[in-house]
Amino acid sequence: DSGVTQTPKHLITATGQRVTLRCSPRSGDLSVYWYQQSLDQGLQFLIQYYNGEERAKGNILERFSAQQFPDLHSELNLSSLELGDSALYFCASSVAGGNNEQFFGPGTRLTVL
Amino acid sequence: AQSVAQPEDQVNVAEGNPLTVKCTYSVSGNPYLFWYVQYPNRGLQFLLKYITGDNLVKGSYGFEAEFNKSQTSFHLKKPSAIVSDSALYFCAVRDKRGATNKLIFGTGTLLAVQP
Repeated sequence: DSGVTQTPKHLITATGQRVTLRCSPRSGDLSVYWYQQSLDQGLQFLIQYYNGEERAKGNILERFSAQQFPDLHSELNLSSLELGDSALYFCASSVAGGNNEQFFGPGTRLTVL
Repeated sequence: AQSVAQPEDQVNVAEGNPLTVKCTYSVSGNPYLFWYVQYPNRGLQFLLKYITGDNLVKGSYGFEAEFNKSQTSFHLKKPSAIVSDSALYFCAVRDKRGATNKLIFGTGTLLAVQP
């Protein structure tokens, strides 16, 4: 157990809908990262937050947004869902800065029908 | 551009034999390299990292990796494979551009250990 929790574990929804994925980082970790894993794109970095502020953006669509709250949990919002958004979404956390390893949550499997 | 490559989609090895999962990198400056393992329906688990120092890095579950600067490689190794090592292995490099610590992952190598 990495100490990173993600909910829900599975999510099935329809095209055009909006969903929210939630992540709680390890205790004490200030950085939260979101990654998308799909068969065709592999593991892709989406976005990083550090202590409530956006730190870096990757290949994140404009339909997607995220935030990190004062208690350091983070949410990834996916809207106007398309079939191609079906993927595993991982959250990871790390201690502040440096070259510390990231600890990954179990992921949320999103299926868009 | 910074990247890592895992040239083998799958590696097959018999239980008890040594295993190697290959990774090469392309970065400017000194690389910060990581190996992760993913078991079915699970998240990624950290195995080991190279930041600086000794080229041979020891990690979890008996795995080790050898950093080779001249060959720009960071191959994952284990002296004796066991069936439960069967999983998907990812090499990653830390993106050093800007203030981020984000990881750039390879495409993954499926390790199959036959009993």
